[in-house]
Amino acid sequence: NAGVTQTPKFQVLKTGQSMTLQCAQDMNHEYMSWYRQDPGMGLRLIHYSVGAGITDQGEVPNGYNVSRSTTEDFPLRLLSAAPSQTSVYFCASSFLVQGASGELFFGEGSRLTVL
Amino acid sequence: AQKITQTQPGMFVQEKEAVTLDCTYDTSDQSYGLFWYKQPSSGEMIFLIYQGSYDEQNATEGRYSLNFQKARKSANLVISASQLGDSAMYFCAHGQADGYNKLIFGAGTRLAVHP
Repeated sequence: NAGVTQTPKFQVLKTGQSMTLQCAQDMNHEYMSWYRQDPGMGLRLIHYSVGAGITDQGEVPNGYNVSRSTTEDFPLRLLSAAPSQTSVYFCASSFLVQGASGELFFGEGSRLTVL
Repeated sequence: AQKITQTQPGMFVQEKEAVTLDCTYDTSDQSYGLFWYKQPSSGEMIFLIYQGSYDEQNATEGRYSLNFQKARKSANLVISASQLGDSAMYFCAHGQADGYNKLIFGAGTRLAVHP
């Protein structure tokens, strides 16, 4: 059972470089999202998607792009990395259940350092 | 906008004792869900328990129970018979009950269980 798979698990970038964090899920979940976790601030929602071709912004979208071309994949792109984007990134997915909130399934996280 | 407040940055408890982790929320939603997640030092996010806003009974899952007081907008997590493996960060989160699992997280409480 793969669940939610994130790659890479660790990455070091220089300021201004670009990169993509990959997220794939094999549970046929409609909903996928990206969070960042910083000390003392919990997890903050960056972007989310409710299906292929549909994405929207969360609490902290600036500096990040996403796309959803398939149900399974939801990559997060940093076009020009900044030290403020040093964080641990989590991808999470779930089914969409009308009238109720469903459990989010999280990946193992990707630790990104921007120098 | 929804907001989750966890006022206890750190807590400690003796092994086999019960502990309550506080969570208050601010929402204008009529229907919503409240979640607790555990994050051990290894970093993964583990779902513990869920409470729907219209659920009349407090949720329970094994040693975890959620003390839901809707009028006070609180959703405290109670861990009974603490174990050393319960030492971790604990996050409270709010989700809108529209099938979109845009969870908004609190800053977390670090629990240390002492032998």
